[in-house]
Amino acid sequence: ETVMTQSPATLSVSPGETATLSCRASQSVGNNLAWYQQKPGQAPRLLIYGASIRATGIPARFSGSGSGTDFTLTISSLQSEDFAVYYCHQYGNWLMTFGQGTRLDIK
Amino acid sequence: QVHLVESGGGVVQPGRSLRLSCAASQFTFSDYIMYWVRQSPGKGLEWVSFISTDGTNKYYTDSVEGRFTASRDNSRNTLYLHMDNLRPEDTATYYCMTVLSLDSGNSPIWGLGTLVTVSS
Repeated sequence: ETVMTQSPATLSVSPGETATLSCRASQSVGNNLAWYQQKPGQAPRLLIYGASIRATGIPARFSGSGSGTDFTLTISSLQSEDFAVYYCHQYGNWLMTFGQGTRLDIK
Repeated sequence: QVHLVESGGGVVQPGRSLRLSCAASQFTFSDYIMYWVRQSPGKGLEWVSFISTDGTNKYYTDSVEGRFTASRDNSRNTLYLHMDNLRPEDTATYYCMTVLSLDSGNSPIWGLGTLVTVSS
């Protein structure tokens, strides 16, 4: 099983600033990595797939990078609606796995 | 637009059974491996089951092995999860999902989920 480790667990950032979230895989997943945003009571919202491709309708302030084992989600010019929990998800093999989440809080 | 729509959730007593369904549309359902993923209240995402395109290969996370059975009807574009001997710890929102092959790359798609509550 590929273990996905997200850091930090909680990140406090002020509106207008940039947040950088990390996700590390215990073995290579190529570029088969997605990022989701989740708010209370809602389903996960796909932000990024293929490690760096923005999903339909996702603002340009969300960007993903990385390949293999190390991945980053960058959210620039944070808006109030961006404060949520973010998950990474590897689907490089049939036994897909998820990170434990990073909570992005308003500072 | 590609859609996955789950149904069948509800409140059920421990030890009872429930069957979830997931209706797929706007993609060739029979070409894709399908998954069930769950999220317990306040917790993270957990893979539950995998079913191959023709339904012959199935895998489950350890905690549901022997109690949950995934199946699919490719003629109806529908995925199922039959859950037996439900436990309180199975309380979660259950999502069906797959990974589509797009021109731009491989993209996960998800339904909106169906809530299962196991409680006496």
